[in-house]
Amino acid sequence: DIQMTQSPSSLSASVGDRVTITCRASQSIKNYLNWYQQKPGKAPRLLIYTASSLQSGVPSRFSGSGSGTDFSFTISSLQPEDIATYYCQQSYSAPHTFGQGTELGIK
Amino acid sequence: QVQLVQSGAEVREPGASVKVSCKAFGYTFTGYYIHWVRQAPGQGLEWMGWINANSGGTIYEKKFQDRVTMTRDTSISTAYMELSRLRSDDTAVYYCARGYCSGDCYSDSWGQGTLVTVSS
Repeated sequence: DIQMTQSPSSLSASVGDRVTITCRASQSIKNYLNWYQQKPGKAPRLLIYTASSLQSGVPSRFSGSGSGTDFSFTISSLQPEDIATYYCQQSYSAPHTFGQGTELGIK
Repeated sequence: QVQLVQSGAEVREPGASVKVSCKAFGYTFTGYYIHWVRQAPGQGLEWMGWINANSGGTIYEKKFQDRVTMTRDTSISTAYMELSRLRSDDTAVYYCARGYCSGDCYSDSWGQGTLVTVSS
């Protein structure tokens, strides 16, 4: 199975800050990498698919990049409503494993 | 609009089975996959498997292989996930999600989640 390692596991930032989360795969997954946002008590929401494609309706301050084994997710200017846990997920091969999540808070 | 509506919360004793349903609205059910993902209290997301809503073909995560069955009824646009021989560590919120695959696969619409509690 492909292991996905996210870092950091948690972080705090100020409103307006640029925030970056990284995700590393245990083997190459091409660009088959997705990013989800989950707020407490809610279902996950797709933000980025195929490493860098912005899902319809998602604000442009969210972006993703990378290929192979190393990926990153960036919020260009953190907003209060971005407080959530963020997960990467690979879909290169089953099982479609998730990273352990990054809990994002406001300083 | 696209919507997945799941069945309500369940309580089961250890050793029992549970069947969660996921009814799709607003799209052609057979054009997509349905993924099942669970989340134990305070924990991350765990992918359990998927079903091709058109063919009925399934792929299960190995750890669930002998206990999970994913099915669908195309006449009512509904997918099901049945988990047997329940243990206390199966207590979790179970989500269904619509899966679109074209090379990459991603889940662009999710159900509201179904809490399954396993307790004696």
